[in-house]
Amino acid sequence: NAGVTQTPKFQVLKTGQSMTLQCAQDMNHEYMSWYRQDPGMGLRLIHYSVGAGITDQGEVPNGYNVSRSTTEDFPLRLLSAAPSQTSVYFCASSSLLGNTEAFFGQGTRLTVV
Amino acid sequence: RKEVEQDPGPFNVPEGATVAFNCTYSNSASQSFFWYRQDCRKEPKLLMSVYSSGNEDGRFTAQLNRASQYISLLIRDSKLSDSATYLCVVNLPGGGNKLTFGTGTQLKVEL
Repeated sequence: NAGVTQTPKFQVLKTGQSMTLQCAQDMNHEYMSWYRQDPGMGLRLIHYSVGAGITDQGEVPNGYNVSRSTTEDFPLRLLSAAPSQTSVYFCASSSLLGNTEAFFGQGTRLTVV
Repeated sequence: RKEVEQDPGPFNVPEGATVAFNCTYSNSASQSFFWYRQDCRKEPKLLMSVYSSGNEDGRFTAQLNRASQYISLLIRDSKLSDSATYLCVVNLPGGGNKLTFGTGTQLKVEL
C-alpha cells in the first residue's frame, strides 16, 4: 500500500527559484493538506483541499500555491523561494469526516540558500 | 496564545517507568482530539484518538476533559521503543479535517 507519496525527499534551492513539491495518495481521500514543520513551531497548515477543484488557505499560505485537479494529486508550488521557507514539508490526506486518521507522506526537507 | 499547548520536554525516564503528557487547547468548539507519534526525521503517525470517556490501547491511556480543555496521555511500563515526540492534535470546527498541532513533547526512555 503506497498511502501518501511525496517527492522529492530532499531539495536545495537558491533564493528566487521556484519549484513544485509533489503529493499523491491512493486511498481515495477527499481531504488533502500541506503542512510545514519548523523547530519549536509544530506543524502549521499551509493550504488544504476538500476535493478536486477546491482549495483554501491555511495558517501560513503566503509564498505558496496549490491546485487540486484530481482526487489523487495535490502539488504545492513555491513561487519564489526565500530562506524563510527552509523547512520540512508534509503532505497529508484523510477522509472528510472529522474524527478520522490523517496519513502523512514521508516529508520533503527543503533548504533555501 | 497557541491553539494547542504542550510541555516540550524532553522527558527522560528509565525503562519501565510511567510517564504522563498533558496538553491544553484554546478553542472550546474543537471537535476531535488525537495523539500522534513522530519519530526523529519521520512523518507523524496516529497513536490514538481521544474520547471524553477515556480510552486505552495496551500501555497507552488517553483522557479528555472538555470542561478544562485538557488532554492527557499516560504511558505505562515505558519501552526504549517509546522514545519519540508525542504530538497533541485537535480538529478545529468548520468542516474537513483541519488539524492543529501542538509543538510536541519529546520522550527519551533510557536503560
